[in-house]
Amino acid sequence: DMKVTQMPRYLIKRMGENVLLECGQDMSHETMYWYRQDPGLGLQLIYISYDVDSNSEGDIPKGYRVSRKKREHFSLILDSAKTNQTSVYFCASSGGANQAPLFGEGTRLSVL
Amino acid sequence: GEQVEQRPPHLSVREGDSAIIICTYTDSATAYFSWYKQEAGAGLQLLMSVLSNVDRKEEQGLTVLLNKKDKRLSLNLTAAHPGDSAVYFCAARDTNAYKVIFGKGTHLHVLP
Repeated sequence: DMKVTQMPRYLIKRMGENVLLECGQDMSHETMYWYRQDPGLGLQLIYISYDVDSNSEGDIPKGYRVSRKKREHFSLILDSAKTNQTSVYFCASSGGANQAPLFGEGTRLSVL
Repeated sequence: GEQVEQRPPHLSVREGDSAIIICTYTDSATAYFSWYKQEAGAGLQLLMSVLSNVDRKEEQGLTVLLNKKDKRLSLNLTAAHPGDSAVYFCAARDTNAYKVIFGKGTHLHVLP
């Protein structure tokens, strides 16, 4: 079953706390992405991962880091979360240059 | 890098009418385009993808047209119904083949 799974779906954290968002895919896709979505700004790319331990900054990497230790799993980490990181975070994966990314259902993060 | 402009931001049509959404892009070397649908509270659902060597593609009431000369991509929903109400995004795959750039979305309302 081709699926991108994100956990948790909803998360509330206090400013300064650490946040871990997790993403898994069952398609052995090499490329994985983290985006955030905010009203009026659309989808902004945070990080791209080309494969295990091969990650690259996207357009808005500041305040985020990622980890990919297994091909099927890609994590987004917020060290000391800030209120302006309140957003909806989407993970996606793609099997190649001519395959459109498939998206997870998103994680709605509120940082209070 | 690639930039994608999408219009209109909001679109209301009556049930049975057509709805047309347009995206323009800047990089003539862009090779792969996609359209996504996002319903409230959900992730992005892939509708259709086209390679740059395709001018027209039709699937299940959707028509995608690609005008490479004008760098314009369009999505036409023929005979829209209320279930088509959602936010639609176009996406262009950057020439480095990994980065995917999104338009800011079109909120489509199909009135009964």
